Amino acid sequence: EPEVTQTPSHQVTQMGQEVILRCVPISNHLYFYWYRQILGQKVEFLVSFYNNEISEKSEIFDDQFSVERPDGSNFTLKIRSTKLEDSAMYFCASSEGINTGELFFGEGSRLTVL
Amino acid sequence: AQSVAQPEDQVNVAEGNPLTVKCTYSVSGNPYLFWYVQYPNRGLQFLLKYITGDNLVKGSYGFEAEFNKSQTSFHLKKPSALVSDSALYFCAVRDTQTGANNLFFGTGTRLTVIP
Repeated sequence: EPEVTQTPSHQVTQMGQEVILRCVPISNHLYFYWYRQILGQKVEFLVSFYNNEISEKSEIFDDQFSVERPDGSNFTLKIRSTKLEDSAMYFCASSEGINTGELFFGEGSRLTVL
Repeated sequence: AQSVAQPEDQVNVAEGNPLTVKCTYSVSGNPYLFWYVQYPNRGLQFLLKYITGDNLVKGSYGFEAEFNKSQTSFHLKKPSALVSDSALYFCAVRDTQTGANNLFFGTGTRLTVIP
C-alpha cells in the first residue's frame, strides 16, 4: 500500500539553527500538507501546497517557515532559525486533491530544539 | 470560521462494552467530516469519513460514526471495545464553503479500554 514517508524520524538542533524536514508524498497525490503536534496534543495545520505553490497557510506559518517541492517526489519544510517553541512532531500529509478525499499522513519527524 | 470540539479529553471503557467518542463541529457551509486514530509514536491513520448520503458511516476496525446535522455532531462509535482500540482519536472537518482542502482537527480524545 502506498504511504507517505518522512525523514528524519528525529532531529535535535540548537536554537537558531536551520532545519529541513523531508517528505515523500504518495506518488499520484496532488495536494501536500504540513501539520505539527506539540506534546501529543492538538494537531495544528501549518500549510498546504498545490501546483507548486502554497494554497493555504495558518498564522503559525510565519516568515521563519518555507516549503518547497524541489523535484518530482520530495516535499520539504524549512525552519530558518529554530526557536524552543518549534519543538514538536511535524507530520507531512498528502491527498488526491478532490475535496472529498482524506489526507494520508506520514509517521512524523520529531524536532527537538535545545 | 470552522471549528471542531471534542468535549472529552479522556474516555475510559471496559473491554467488550460499547464506546462513544464525541465530536461537534461548526462550519460555514456543508461539512466533510473525518475521524483519525493515532497510536503512540505513530502518525494519524484514517478511520472513516462522512461526505454525503447515509448518516451512518462505517470505517476501519469496526468503527462507525453518525452524522447528525441538527446537533452538528459526528460521534464515533463501536459496539464492542477492544484493548487494542486504546489510542488517541481525532475528529476533523473540511469546510466546503471556504474551498480550502486542508482538514481542521479537534483537540483529540484519549480512549483507554480496560481489560
